[in-house]
Amino acid sequence: IAGITQAPTSQILAAGRRMTLRCTQDMRHNAMYWYRQDLGLGLRLIHYSNTAGTTGKGEVPDGYSVSRANTDDFPLTLASAVPSQTSVYFCASSDAYTGELFFGEGSRLTVL
Amino acid sequence: GEDVEQSLFLSVREGDSSVINCTYTDSSSTYLYWYKQEPGAGLQLLTYIFSNMDMKQDQRLTVLLNKKDKHLSLRIADTQTGDSAIYFCAERPAYSGAGSYQLTFGKGTKLSVIP
Repeated sequence: IAGITQAPTSQILAAGRRMTLRCTQDMRHNAMYWYRQDLGLGLRLIHYSNTAGTTGKGEVPDGYSVSRANTDDFPLTLASAVPSQTSVYFCASSDAYTGELFFGEGSRLTVL
Repeated sequence: GEDVEQSLFLSVREGDSSVINCTYTDSSSTYLYWYKQEPGAGLQLLTYIFSNMDMKQDQRLTVLLNKKDKHLSLRIADTQTGDSAIYFCAERPAYSGAGSYQLTFGKGTKLSVIP
């Protein structure tokens, strides 16, 4: 059972470069999310998608974009990375009935 | 916006009980969750409670909800070294009908279990 798969697991990136974090789920959940986790700040929602073809902004969307071309994939793109985007990024999807979030293992991004 | 508060650290001895506390502000919360994050991993749902319940017990875990005070607690009985992790409290507001559930998470409580 895969659940949520994220890639890459870890990446070091030069400032100004473009980066896409990939996220795939095999649970056929409609809703998907991207969070970033920072020490002392907990989890903050970046973007979400209610269903394929729709996306919405979360608490900290600036500098990030997402797309949802199909149910399974929800990539997160940093168009021009900055050091403040150094973080651990988690993708998640939610069960339609309980609202339970299922998380991936995270992508650790370092922007130098 | 809505807020969820929890203490950042808790240290207990192996075999003792651990109690992790959480307060939230959203009076429309319908579900409250406890997630566990082990080092280098994502979050996993530990347990949850409906807002119309006062208590839920699941093996070593006991969740208490005081809706009047907007206070949630997680008690872990007979705490083991394997329980060392970060525990996140999260609240879910009333369903908006849009299809997603935008949970509000606390900052997490790091539980350290001393052998």
